[in-house]
Amino acid sequence: KQEVTQIPAALSVPEGENLVLNCSFTDSAIYNLQWFRQDPGKGLTSLLLIQSSQREQTSGRLNASLDKSSGRSTLYIAASQPGDSATYLCAVDGTASKLTFGTGTRLQVTL
Amino acid sequence: GAGVSQSPSNKVTEKGKDVELRCDPISGHTALYWYRQSLGQGLEFLIYFQGNSAPDKSGLPSDRFSAERTGGSVSTLTIQRTQQEDSAVYLCASSLALIQDSNQPQHFGDGTRLSIL
Repeated sequence: KQEVTQIPAALSVPEGENLVLNCSFTDSAIYNLQWFRQDPGKGLTSLLLIQSSQREQTSGRLNASLDKSSGRSTLYIAASQPGDSATYLCAVDGTASKLTFGTGTRLQVTL
Repeated sequence: GAGVSQSPSNKVTEKGKDVELRCDPISGHTALYWYRQSLGQGLEFLIYFQGNSAPDKSGLPSDRFSAERTGGSVSTLTIQRTQQEDSAVYLCASSLALIQDSNQPQHFGDGTRLSIL
């Protein structure tokens, strides 16, 4: 059974810092990995999707990497801003479109 | 529409009642997914549809849960004889196609917050 772990569970950084969120998964047979952002009381916003054949994806200040063989992904956020405060979730798709989610990292960017 | 729409946004009901949750996917999206987000449980996959067909219903927590999709568009998730442990946020997502077919991202609605008294 696929298990997805995210560390840290919570993170507080001052504005302007670069930061890294970590995601690990136990079964490397995946189609892709997605990073999502969730604001309180809201659904999930897809940030980046990395296909299993890719090693990284970039969008603006966000960069996600994937090392499928070791079961790891990182989400790098450059020059963090207070508006980046949210819960970040990674999810892997291994079979039949069942996304398996991690429990998330709650990020707080302070002024 | 602009995004995935779910209704109601909040639902409070008494234990034992039936509830019906609705999801309107993004127009043209053939794949539709239901998830449940509970405190302490994280996000849990329930069921997906390709068109009107749900090939795998094994993610549904019990036989009190059922889902259907008509016309390749709107989907309803029905919970019969609700229990307190059914309290959660129920999220719906849609994508252009099944992920393994095209690696399309899933787009989520804001969810229905269900509270069973």
